[in-house]
Amino acid sequence: QLQLQESGSGLVKPSQTLSLTCAVSGGSISSGGYSWSWIRQPPGKGLEWIGYIYHSGSTYYNPSLKSRVTISVDRSKNQFSLKLSSVTAADTAVYYCARYMTTVVGDAFDIWGQGTMVTVSS
Amino acid sequence: EIVLTQSPGTLSLSPGERATLSCRASQSVSSSYLAWYQQKPGQAPRLLIYGASSRATGIPDRFSGSGSGTDFTLTISRLEPEDFAVYYCQQYGSSGYTFGQGTKLEIK
Repeated sequence: QLQLQESGSGLVKPSQTLSLTCAVSGGSISSGGYSWSWIRQPPGKGLEWIGYIYHSGSTYYNPSLKSRVTISVDRSKNQFSLKLSSVTAADTAVYYCARYMTTVVGDAFDIWGQGTMVTVSS
Repeated sequence: EIVLTQSPGTLSLSPGERATLSCRASQSVSSSYLAWYQQKPGQAPRLLIYGASSRATGIPDRFSGSGSGTDFTLTISRLEPEDFAVYYCQQYGSSGYTFGQGTKLEIK
């Protein structure tokens, strides 16, 4: 059973860089047919997709966040990471990592991490 | 960017009743790329439906999805106490992935 686990700093100062890692266990991040995403949810609000990466390293980011986002993969450690620069209070949210599956029937985020709360505050 | 609008914002029903949740897209969405999720307080979202109408593994058959183009529906045939939660639709398009704002299903 594949599992995802987020880790990283829970408190980040304004203008600094948020850094999170998603560890993949019970399966390989290099498996075909999947991409690996970061999604966030501000307190009491809805879900916002941040970006994804394939095991090959190719990425695609939400256009609204693209200038501040970097997602990378470490296949040797079976994990992928998020960096979000120049953070403000608006970046305060629960951050989830998730696997996106592609099948002949349809696609979706089928496995999610438990989420990690990140607060931006001085 | 494709905008997904869910209605109603809040739905108040009793256990045993039928729930119908709507998701309308600002432009046509491929059914292959339309999914539904359930989220309970303090938990990550859980995949319910993908490809607009296929149930994910372990999802009870009281959950069903339908629709095409710009109009999609999630139906819960007979509400169980554990079904009261927030539901999101999600799509994949040229600008990446977007989610609806959610429908809160609450106990009447």
